[in-house]
Amino acid sequence: SSVLTQPPSVSVAPGQTARITCGGNNIGSKNVHWYQQKPGQAPVLVVYDDSDRPSRIPERFSGSNSGNTATLTISRVAAGDEADYYCQVWDSISDHPRVVFGGGTKLTVL
Amino acid sequence: QVQLQESGPRLVKPSETLSLTCAVSGYSINTVNYWGWIRQPPGKGLEWIGSIYHSGITYYNPSLKSRVTISVDTSKNQFSLKLSSVTAADTAMYYCARVNGGYTFGYYFDYWGQGPLVTVSS
Repeated sequence: SSVLTQPPSVSVAPGQTARITCGGNNIGSKNVHWYQQKPGQAPVLVVYDDSDRPSRIPERFSGSNSGNTATLTISRVAAGDEADYYCQVWDSISDHPRVVFGGGTKLTVL
Repeated sequence: QVQLQESGPRLVKPSETLSLTCAVSGYSINTVNYWGWIRQPPGKGLEWIGSIYHSGITYYNPSLKSRVTISVDTSKNQFSLKLSSVTAADTAMYYCARVNGGYTFGYYFDYWGQGPLVTVSS
């Protein structure tokens, strides 16, 4: 079954680019989805199917996925981007199909 | 605009059954989408509980499967969660969400409720 590994924290200065990784065995063969969760709020989908964005999400958010690593990239980071970010896949190959979340990464804007 | 709203007791006693309902508005539950439940213990990450189709087809997290029942009521445009034999470890925010995507290329959650905190305590 899938295990998704995220760094616990990532720090970046305002205006710079943040990259949050999600590692998994051959994750490039799956579609990866990303969520942003601010304190006290429900998660919000920011990227789906590796690199697509919901219409309400700024173009600054983008995603890629290849090999054993998927990456969420946030360009021109602003204070409002400070949040926890989670990757997620659907594991349909195992005996028991399931949704799997990564452990989450806290993005700090310095 | 799709909206989801959870309701149910916020305090459940150990060994009892946690019951929550998710009312969907702005969208018919009787469509191509699945509907799901996700939980988050205080200070921890997200854990998928299970998902249901309007026909009643379900997928459950194997680690919770023996205690979970998810059902759907298309006449009321809502779906429900029951988690039996709860312990303090089941204390969490419980979110309902609309599922999008497909079996082959992957499911994801595009609309979420705000989630009540359900506490298991005597």
